[in-house]
Amino acid sequence: DTEVTQTPKHLVMGMTNKKSLKCEQHMGHRAMYWYKQKAKKPPELMFVYSYEKLSINESVPSRFSPECPNSSLLNLHLHALQPEDSALYLCASSQDPSGGLSYNEQFFGPGTRLTVL
Amino acid sequence: GNSVTQMEGPVTLSEEAFLTINCTYTATGYPSLFWYVQYPGEGLQLLLKATKADDKGSNKGFEATYRKETTSFHLEKGSVQVSDSAVYFCALIDSWGKLQFGAGTQVVVTP
Repeated sequence: DTEVTQTPKHLVMGMTNKKSLKCEQHMGHRAMYWYKQKAKKPPELMFVYSYEKLSINESVPSRFSPECPNSSLLNLHLHALQPEDSALYLCASSQDPSGGLSYNEQFFGPGTRLTVL
Repeated sequence: GNSVTQMEGPVTLSEEAFLTINCTYTATGYPSLFWYVQYPGEGLQLLLKATKADDKGSNKGFEATYRKETTSFHLEKGSVQVSDSAVYFCALIDSWGKLQFGAGTQVVVTP
């Protein structure tokens, strides 16, 4: 299995809702990432997990809450979002980070397209 | 800080034409370099990579060479197909594992 899967593909939520995005990989990768991509822009890093521990938080608002329950799963919990949070949310993974995350290419999932009304 | 600059699009080509997308970078040290491709409505796919100077990455007919002296990583393909229509991102990875992307170049190939 050489892919990263994400569910759901599409999500529409109101500003008072709570929802979660899920990401899964079975490549044995020990680093996982969340990115946000607005239309016609490159992805922006949100969070990095290395060995199931949060290693980078790019000053993301607290209405986004990541969780890494095990080495294969990554969740992004959403609460009280704003319309400007509407975007494509991409998950990625990379191999063993023990040698440094800079040595490992990242493999991306297909993304969840989120619309906040 | 690190940065990646790539040519603006859209780049419009006829099928079987030669494609070049320029990419230059600014970085401390010698980061690994990547080209990712994003087809409409999809996530990013790793197209090719190079980890040190003079490395040539290649995949699906695409090539790019890591040029330290010009800090460049230009993407080329000799004969494009309609199916190559996509957005192409040049990127480097820093010591924290953070990907720094260029702005992306949209490529449109017409029959």
